[in-house]
Formats: sequence, C-alpha cells, structure tokens
Amino acid sequence: GAVVSQHPSRVICKSGTSVKIECRSLDFQATTMFWYRQFPKKSLMLMATSNEGSKATYEQGVEKDKFLINHASLTLSTLTVTSAHPEDSSFYICSAREPDRDTQYFGPGTRLTVL
Amino acid sequence: AQSVAQPEDQVNVAEGNPLTVKCTYSVSGNPYLFWYVQYPNRGLQFLLKYITGDNLVKGSYGFEAEFNKSQTSFHLKKPSALVSDSALYFCAVTLTGGTASKLTFGTGTRLQVTL
Repeated sequence: GAVVSQHPSRVICKSGTSVKIECRSLDFQATTMFWYRQFPKKSLMLMATSNEGSKATYEQGVEKDKFLINHASLTLSTLTVTSAHPEDSSFYICSAREPDRDTQYFGPGTRLTVL
Repeated sequence: AQSVAQPEDQVNVAEGNPLTVKCTYSVSGNPYLFWYVQYPNRGLQFLLKYITGDNLVKGSYGFEAEFNKSQTSFHLKKPSALVSDSALYFCAVTLTGGTASKLTFGTGTRLQVTL
C-alpha cells in the first residue's frame, strides 16, 4: 500500500514550452501533496504544498506563476512548469501524505531537461 | 525553525558489518523523525519513523533507528549490511502534528557497502 506514481518519468522539452507533471496517490486519498526539487548530489528543496480544493502554498523564492500547481482531486496533483528554461532542468519529486499513517510517501520522480 | 544535520557525506561499510548513519535534529517542540532511502534516479522510499513511545524504532529491510532526546539524535542502524543497501539516505524532521507540516530534510548520506 501507500504507492505514489509520477508521470512522466523523464521529459525533454525546448526552452519556452510548458511541461506538466502528474502525481497520483494510487491506493489512498491525499488531501495534502508536496512538490520538491532535487539538484544533483543535493537534498530535496520543498517548492510548495498542494491542498486539495484550495490554492497551493509556495515556499519563499518559488515563483507561483512559473510553477503552477493544481490539486483537483484527492488522488491527483499536477505541477506545470511554464515557459521552461534550461535552469529549470532538475529532478522533480512529489509526495503525498497518507493520513492514516501520518507519513509522506514519495513518487519516483520526474527528470526534466530543458534544451 | 527546524533543521536536520547529517554530518557524513558518505559512509563506507563492508558487507556483513554493522552500519550506522548519523542524524541530529533541532526543533522547538516534539519531533516526528523519519528516514528515507533513495536509489539512483528514483524517488524516496520510506524506511521508518519515530513519533512517540519506544525509542528504538524498527523499519523496512532490517533497518532500525534510535531516538535519543538528550542528544537530539536519530541514528539509522543495521546489524549486518548488504551490498544492496548502497544508496542515499535522508533523515527528515517535522513537528508533532503530523506530516501535513513541512518535512525538513538533511543533506543526505551516501552509504557504500562493499564485498
């Protein structure tokens, strides 16, 4: 149990285009999901907290107009990187809070490469 | 503010020997503590957590961790290391109240188990 999926696993796009990443909790309902960014050989940086049915809460320094988050259902949150640039290339990881076990479970990550 | 320190960038252990990966934390309250493992190009897998109760917590794959309040530590241990344990290990903390609160991660410790 407590499986979180992400799609796609890797994506390559041209500079200026937008990319959508999906995060799904497969066997539980998650009112809260989180989006992280991980740089090579670095820890995870929390970008935003996604709450079902309400606006996401962004961390300081994260541009909400560039990283659009939608949490339309209890099992799906999406992160859209708008007008992507090479500096947005990174490993993006989502997590979902499983309420019964009060634990965050992580997706497998999405590697974004912007050319 | 809450913080986590993992003082070792890398730990090297021979297969069959015991391993310890160190973690210390700082929070202004009662902590929830977690260990996650990350394999290359993958998301984080939950290993174990401490919320309250017994200071020795047992988790997945034979790992355990000991909560020490006086030393504000939560070291990860395993009696006998396997080559397949080689991965990146993250310690994380949040305040009591659950993981709807933000997780703060350490910088990660790379465990290398050799034959």
